[in-house]
Amino acid sequence: AQSVAQPEDQVNVAEGNPLTVKCTYSVSGNPYLFWYVQYPNRGLQFLLKYITGDNLVKGSYGFEAEFNKSQTSFHLKKPSALVSDSALYFCAVREISSNTGKLIFGQGTTLQVKP
Amino acid sequence: NAGVTQTPKFQVLKTGQSMTLQCAQDMNHEYMSWYRQDPGMGLRLIHYSVGAGITDQGEVPNGYNVSRSTTEDFPLRLLSAAPSQTSVYFCASSYRLAGDTQYFGPGTRLTVL
Repeated sequence: AQSVAQPEDQVNVAEGNPLTVKCTYSVSGNPYLFWYVQYPNRGLQFLLKYITGDNLVKGSYGFEAEFNKSQTSFHLKKPSALVSDSALYFCAVREISSNTGKLIFGQGTTLQVKP
Repeated sequence: NAGVTQTPKFQVLKTGQSMTLQCAQDMNHEYMSWYRQDPGMGLRLIHYSVGAGITDQGEVPNGYNVSRSTTEDFPLRLLSAAPSQTSVYFCASSYRLAGDTQYFGPGTRLTVL
């Protein structure tokens, strides 16, 4: 069965420090991988995705993620965190062969960036 | 482009009432879907549509109906609301399936008493 795990409910980091939000996935075939961010009382905003090609994907607002097939991971990173990055982050996967378009979401990780 | 729009933003229902959550997109996207978001559970797919006139069930379809008469609109109907349907509902759309990004609406927060 397809699944996504975000092992940390919350990540705390000081402003200016690098941040990592972890994601591992399980699919039977090859994956499409996505990161979304949700600010309070708002919808999900797309950050970045991995489809194929370069394992390091760069996205919006200075975020990047690295696809690691052997470790089935897609961790989200940013070199220097901002207080405004504080939000709820979701990792999602879709199997390439899926004909439903269904995204499987992790349970979310709250990022808290302190000044 | 307005993107994906949803109405209403908030709704309170009594058990047994019915209602329709509206979703519209102006990006000419073929694929549309409905998710519900519950604390600690991420988002779960309710129903989806790969084009006008075509709908199918997702992971948690019970208690919900959908139809897709136009490319732009994808309403979600609650037939007889139950407290277990208290949730935040998100509509999403993408141009195709494949690796296309799904874009999400702002959500509808539904409370069933």
